[in-house]
Amino acid sequence: GNSVTQMEGPVTLSEEAFLTINCTYTATGYPSLFWYVQYPGEGLQLLLKATKADDKGSNKGFEATYRKETTSFHLEKGSVQVSDSAVYFCALQGGKLIFGQGTELSVKP
Amino acid sequence: SAVISQKPSRDICQRGTSLTIQCQVDSQVTMMFWYRQQPGQSLTLIATANQGSEATYESGFVIDKFPISRPNLTFSTLTVSNMSPEDSSIYLCSVGPGTDTDTQYFGPGTRLTVL
Repeated sequence: GNSVTQMEGPVTLSEEAFLTINCTYTATGYPSLFWYVQYPGEGLQLLLKATKADDKGSNKGFEATYRKETTSFHLEKGSVQVSDSAVYFCALQGGKLIFGQGTELSVKP
Repeated sequence: SAVISQKPSRDICQRGTSLTIQCQVDSQVTMMFWYRQQPGQSLTLIATANQGSEATYESGFVIDKFPISRPNLTFSTLTVSNMSPEDSSIYLCSVGPGTDTDTQYFGPGTRLTVL
């Protein structure tokens, strides 16, 4: 069945550091892929998405590229801010929305 | 994207009681979903609620414990019945995907603590 695996957290970075959160998936067919973000005390917000191979989703300085050959959708940001501290969820849409376990990011000033 | 609101935003309840959570969407949607997020965990789908039909529950969730209503295309309720401390979680309403998008959008969640 479909599944999503994220790198374990928590991830702690200093402000302006480069961020990578790894996400790999197992799926039949060609599902759409998503990154959602959950800020402290809030619900989930869609951060970005990609619907087919080689698509790059981007938003708020975050990027992720749909890599079919490596079944990956890693989240990157060139320079993180304290306000990026949150939990990030990778997900795939294959009939049902399947989530990874979430990666907590903490950015220190 | 749809704008989703939930009531209440949080509550503290006593063991053995029930709580009904409301989900309101600003546009008509066919598919609505209810998720549970236990402390420090990812999201688990409880059920899918389509208007005009009975809710479809995922493995491990039953209607007697989590009855759902879907009276129209913009509203749904989830009841957490006969609560125990293990029901302490965030409950999230979600809508979509629609006919022109495969994206799901989420409400702000209801934070439930059961004592």
